Amino acid sequence: KQEVTQIPAALSVPEGENLVLNCSFTDSAIYNLQWFRQDPGKGLTSLLLIQSSQREQTSGRLNASLDKSSGRSTLYIAASQPGDSATYLCAVWLSYGKLTFGQGTILTVHP
Amino acid sequence: EAQVTQNPRYLITVTGKKLTVTCSQNMNHEYMSWYRQDPGLGLRQIYYSMNVEVTDKGDVPEGYKVSRKEKRNFPLILESPSPNQTSLYFCASSQQGASTDTQYFGPGTRLTVL
Repeated sequence: KQEVTQIPAALSVPEGENLVLNCSFTDSAIYNLQWFRQDPGKGLTSLLLIQSSQREQTSGRLNASLDKSSGRSTLYIAASQPGDSATYLCAVWLSYGKLTFGQGTILTVHP
Repeated sequence: EAQVTQNPRYLITVTGKKLTVTCSQNMNHEYMSWYRQDPGLGLRQIYYSMNVEVTDKGDVPEGYKVSRKEKRNFPLILESPSPNQTSLYFCASSQQGASTDTQYFGPGTRLTVL
């Protein structure tokens, strides 16, 4: 059974820092990998999708990498801002429709 | 406005009383899915649907039913709810599941089963 682990579970940083969130998965036979953001009391927002044939994706200050063979992905956030405070979730697509989530990293960026 | 709507948003019920949580999307998406979110366990997929009349199990389908008779609607049915189904439920949709970079999530339904 696919297991997705995210480290650290929580992270608190001052504004302006560059930071890295880690995600690992046990079965490398994934379809794609996706990063989401969840704000308190709300649904999820899609951030980046990395297809299994890709190594990385970028959107603004966010960069996600994928090393499928080692079962790892990282989400890099540059120049963090208080508005980046949220829970960040890594999820792997095991097939076209089946999605497994990690438990998330709670990020707090303080001014 | 593109959106996924869920109803009700909050529900308190008793063990064994059948209930349905509705999910509707207005984007003509083919893919829809249900998740539950629990402290310490994170988000877990219950069921998903690739298109009308096509549904499949996620990781935690026990105790739930779904149907996809129309493209826009994907209701979640609990025929005999139990306290361990107390949770926060999310519905989501996208154009084509894993190949789509944007998954649209509903606002969530908080269910309490007494």
